[in-house]
Amino acid sequence: GQSLEQPSEVTAVEGAIVQINCTYQTSGFYGLSWYQQHDGGAPTFLSYNALDGLEETGRFSSFLSRSDSYGYLLLQELQMKDSASYFCAVGEGGSYIPTFGRGTSLIVHP
Amino acid sequence: GAVVSQHPSRVICKSGTSVKIECRSLDFQATTMFWYRQFPKQSLMLMATSNEGSKATYEQGVEKDKFLINHASLTLSTLTVTSAHPEDSSFYICSAPTGDRREQYFGPGTRLTVT
Repeated sequence: GQSLEQPSEVTAVEGAIVQINCTYQTSGFYGLSWYQQHDGGAPTFLSYNALDGLEETGRFSSFLSRSDSYGYLLLQELQMKDSASYFCAVGEGGSYIPTFGRGTSLIVHP
Repeated sequence: GAVVSQHPSRVICKSGTSVKIECRSLDFQATTMFWYRQFPKQSLMLMATSNEGSKATYEQGVEKDKFLINHASLTLSTLTVTSAHPEDSSFYICSAPTGDRREQYFGPGTRLTVT
């Protein structure tokens, strides 16, 4: 089976940098993904890490350390519109049936 | 990117009736689709994996006779909630993986309210 841990809530101010951590346990790691979900909406894909290191996509970056079973999502130059829930998800084995973490609610203040 | 549609976006039904939710991949073929249920402020809980041309695979604790899944074509999967009860009220979301299965394309979700 798989399990993931991430903080339930993070708050920050506009323009700041915030890091959302995710630790996981899985028997056959396939990849760590991050998704953003605004209230009432569907999740949208942000990033994917299969190998160790940092992946950068604009203001968002994602990091993975397979030896530590740990990853994080880094959001820079925070904007009010970044207020949303952020989910990490891991896939297991060749089927990649993803398991989602409980989600982190990010609240961005002016 | 690929687009997944869901219909209806919202539905209100009476207890004991059945509701069908459609999930379509608009510009790609999806041999596999996933159905999730999400309660307010909670995570996405995988209900079942829908496989084109074969039976769906249900997660533990999900009643296959209550949540009927049909994946009759490479672009359409349906979830039918039979004999709905108020506790079935939730946000139902479908998704389809990319070819390399790194990313999920999610539908916009269906808000089901059972009165």
